[in-house]
Amino acid sequence: QLQLQESGPGLVKPSETLSLTCAASGGSTSSSSLFWGWIRQPPGKGLEWIAIINYRGSPYYNPSLKSRVTASVDTSKNQVSLKVTSVTAADTAVYYCAREWSPPGGRAFDIWGQGTLVTVSS
Amino acid sequence: QSVLTQPPSASGTPGQRVTISCSGSSSNVGHNTVNWYQQLPGTAPKLLIYGDNQRPSGVPDRFSGSKSGTSASLAVSGLQSEDEAVYHCAAWDGSLNGPVFGGGTKLTVL
Repeated sequence: QLQLQESGPGLVKPSETLSLTCAASGGSTSSSSLFWGWIRQPPGKGLEWIAIINYRGSPYYNPSLKSRVTASVDTSKNQVSLKVTSVTAADTAVYYCAREWSPPGGRAFDIWGQGTLVTVSS
Repeated sequence: QSVLTQPPSASGTPGQRVTISCSGSSSNVGHNTVNWYQQLPGTAPKLLIYGDNQRPSGVPDRFSGSKSGTSASLAVSGLQSEDEAVYHCAAWDGSLNGPVFGGGTKLTVL
């Protein structure tokens, strides 16, 4: 059974770059039919989509974050990565990676990592 | 400000039936299927309903989803204490070319 595990710095200073990785075990990130998503949740708030990526195609980015975000898939390490540049306090959130599944007629995030809290503070 | 609109809270007593609404627009709920996620305290979201009304394997049939136009609903029947959680709706948005979420509804079992 596929499992996802996010890892990150925990604390990032304002204006710096946040780098996160999501390691996949029990499954491969190189399947052409699968997409991988990054979603974040600020403390006490709702979920916000950041990026969706497949190892073969171009990523989809949330337009509100597109200028600061880069997502990638490293099939040799079986992991997915996310970078967010020029962070501010508004980027403080729990960051989740998830597998996007495409059942007939739709798409959904069916497997989620446990999430990693990133705090932006000096 | 979330793209999809949900009530911030809902409540019911054990055994009751509770519904949670999710309102969107023609670019998301109106033209694409709706998913619901359950987030227990301190945990990651879990897929509860996909494709408007389909349950993944292992999800009790007490949970059901429906949709009409640009609004969707999640119903929980035979409410149990372990159903106390935050419920999020989501749908693909054709204008944003990505998924959008509601703000989440905290369900309290009284």
